[in-house]
Amino acid sequence: DIQMTQSPSSLSASVGDRVTITCRASQTISKDLNWYQQKPGKAPRLLIYAASSLQSGVPSRFSGSGSGTDFTLTISSLQPDDFATYYCQHSYSTPGTFGQGTKLEIK
Amino acid sequence: EVQLVESGGGLVEPGGSLRLSCAASGFTFSPYSMNWVRQAPGKGPEWVSSISTRMTHIYYADSVKGRFTISRDNAKSSLYLQMNSLRAEDTALYYCARSPRSLTFDIWGQGTMVTVSS
Repeated sequence: DIQMTQSPSSLSASVGDRVTITCRASQTISKDLNWYQQKPGKAPRLLIYAASSLQSGVPSRFSGSGSGTDFTLTISSLQPDDFATYYCQHSYSTPGTFGQGTKLEIK
Repeated sequence: EVQLVESGGGLVEPGGSLRLSCAASGFTFSPYSMNWVRQAPGKGPEWVSSISTRMTHIYYADSVKGRFTISRDNAKSSLYLQMNSLRAEDTALYYCARSPRSLTFDIWGQGTMVTVSS
């Protein structure tokens, strides 16, 4: 199975900061990479699919990039609503493994 | 409103069975592949199973293969997961999720909790 490794595992930042989360796949996955946001007690929300495509309804401050094995999620200017846990997930083949998550906290 | 609503979770003893259901509304169910994704307490999500639009392609995680069976009823806009021989490690919140493209989950339900314990 393809393993997904996110870094950092946790991150403290302030409103207005630019934040980058990275995700590395254990083998090449082309651009088959998704990003999700999850808040406590809620289901995950799809933010980015196919590495860089913004899901409908997601604010443009979220962006994704990368291909092959290395990917990034960038939030250009953190808003209070963005403090949550973020997961990458590959869609290259089953089992579509998720990363271990990055918890974004308020500094 | 596009919505997925799961039901059928509960407390079951090891070795027992449960059948989860997911009712879809607000969109045309039949053209979409559907999935079950679970999340153990304090852990990240884990894909469990996928089913194609006409049930011709069905996939399972190795951890549930041979014990779980996914199915769907397009006439009822419903997805199901029959879970047999349940183990403690199956304890999780089980989500139903829609796939507009392979293994990409754009709509999720609120989840139904399955607890396997004696």
